[in-house]
Amino acid sequence: SAVISQKPSRDICQRGTSLTIQCQVDSQVTMMFWYRQQPGQSLTLIATANQGSEATYESGFVIDKFPISRPNLTFSTLTVSNMSPEDSSIYLCSVRDRDSFGQFFGPGTRLTVL
Amino acid sequence: ELKVEQNPLFLSMQEGKNYTIYCNYSTTSDRLYWYRQDPGKSLESLFVLLSNGAVKQEGRLMASLDTKARLSTLHITAAVHDLSATYFCAGARGSRLTFGEGTQLTVNP
Repeated sequence: SAVISQKPSRDICQRGTSLTIQCQVDSQVTMMFWYRQQPGQSLTLIATANQGSEATYESGFVIDKFPISRPNLTFSTLTVSNMSPEDSSIYLCSVRDRDSFGQFFGPGTRLTVL
Repeated sequence: ELKVEQNPLFLSMQEGKNYTIYCNYSTTSDRLYWYRQDPGKSLESLFVLLSNGAVKQEGRLMASLDTKARLSTLHITAAVHDLSATYFCAGARGSRLTFGEGTQLTVNP
C-alpha cells in the first residue's frame, strides 16, 4: 500500500488566518482525496484532486474556503482559509490503489482554531 | 445519494465473546470498506469487499458483503482488549467514499 505523509501533523491557529496542509505519497497516483473529520464525528469528503485539472468539490465545500493544488502525481495541498473555530477538525489525505482497490489514509492534520 | 448506517454505534463487550457490527447502505455501492481508528490516530484499512458474497478474514475479524441486502457485517470472534477502537464502514460510488457513523468498540477484561 502507498505510504502517505502529511505536514503539519497538528497546528493551533488564530481565527481569520489560513493554513496549508501538505500531502506527499511515495508513488504516483491519479486521484488524491481530502477528507475532514470533525471532533467525535465520521469522515466527510471535501474534494477530489486530479493532477492537471481543478479539484472537484463536494456539496457544502467551496474552492474559496478550501483551495487545493495538485502540481504532480505525488503531491497535493489543501488550504483552510479564513479559519473559524468550526474548522477545528482532523484533515486527512487519501489515495486509492488502482490494482487492489484499497483506499488508504494519511496520518492526518489535527487543526485547532482559537 | 449513497447513505451508510452502522449499528450499534457503541458496543461494550467482554473478552472472549463474539459480536457483529452491521453496515447498511442505501443504494448501489461499488465497493465496501472497513477501517479501524484508534484514538488520536488515522484510519487503518482492514478490508475492501468487491462483490456479492465476498468474505475476508484477518485474525479475529471477518467481514462479509451481501449486495442484495445492501448489508455488510464485521464479525468479531473471541474479542481481546487490543480490538478496542472505533470501526468505520464506507461505501464507494466511483471514487467517492461515504462513511458510516462509526462503531466505538470497548472490550473489557
